[in-house]
Amino acid sequence: TQLLEQSPQFLSIQEGENLTVYCNSSSVFSSLQWYRQEPGEGPVLLVTVVTGGEVKKLKRLTFQFGDARKDSSLHITAAQPGDTGLYLCAGGRTSYGKLTFGQGTILTVHP
Amino acid sequence: GAVVSQHPSWVICKSGTSVKIECRSLDFQATTMFWYRQFPKQSLMLMATSNEGSKATYEQGVEKDKFLINHASLTLSTLTVTSAHPEDSSFYICSASGGDSPLHFGNGTRLTVT
Repeated sequence: TQLLEQSPQFLSIQEGENLTVYCNSSSVFSSLQWYRQEPGEGPVLLVTVVTGGEVKKLKRLTFQFGDARKDSSLHITAAQPGDTGLYLCAGGRTSYGKLTFGQGTILTVHP
Repeated sequence: GAVVSQHPSWVICKSGTSVKIECRSLDFQATTMFWYRQFPKQSLMLMATSNEGSKATYEQGVEKDKFLINHASLTLSTLTVTSAHPEDSSFYICSASGGDSPLHFGNGTRLTVT
């Protein structure tokens, strides 16, 4: 069974601060996704990474996929209250098949 | 716009009754749909994989007789929670895949069993 360890579980910061969320596994994933979820809604895909060492940027969000494709990180620069939500990493053999989810990180950004 | 529609968004039922949740792919044919369960402030837990025209594959620990899944067409999968109890109260989410296109998630169904 492939497991994804996501940390930290909770993150409470002030507006303007930077933060990093980590996702680690002992298994290799062919594809890894990051999602953001708001209460009462389904997860929304932020990014998919498939190549070891890959770095993708989405405005203030930077995503990295480890060289060995066993770990990934999400870095948010100058966090804003609108970034508040549950962030989930998920890995699988493909981006469209069965996914294993990390435990999630609840981010709260205070104005 | 939403490409996967989940219905209802929320439902309250009495203990002992059954509840059906629908997951529809709106503009693509979903050969595979996945059903997840999520407790408050926790991650998604995969319950089962639903393939069109065949029996669902359940994850370990998920009771197939309690959580009935039907995927009778390429655009619809249903999850029926049979003889619901308060401990079945949760947020249920489906996702759908149409071959090699990315997964799309529904907006979830909040089930409360009283």
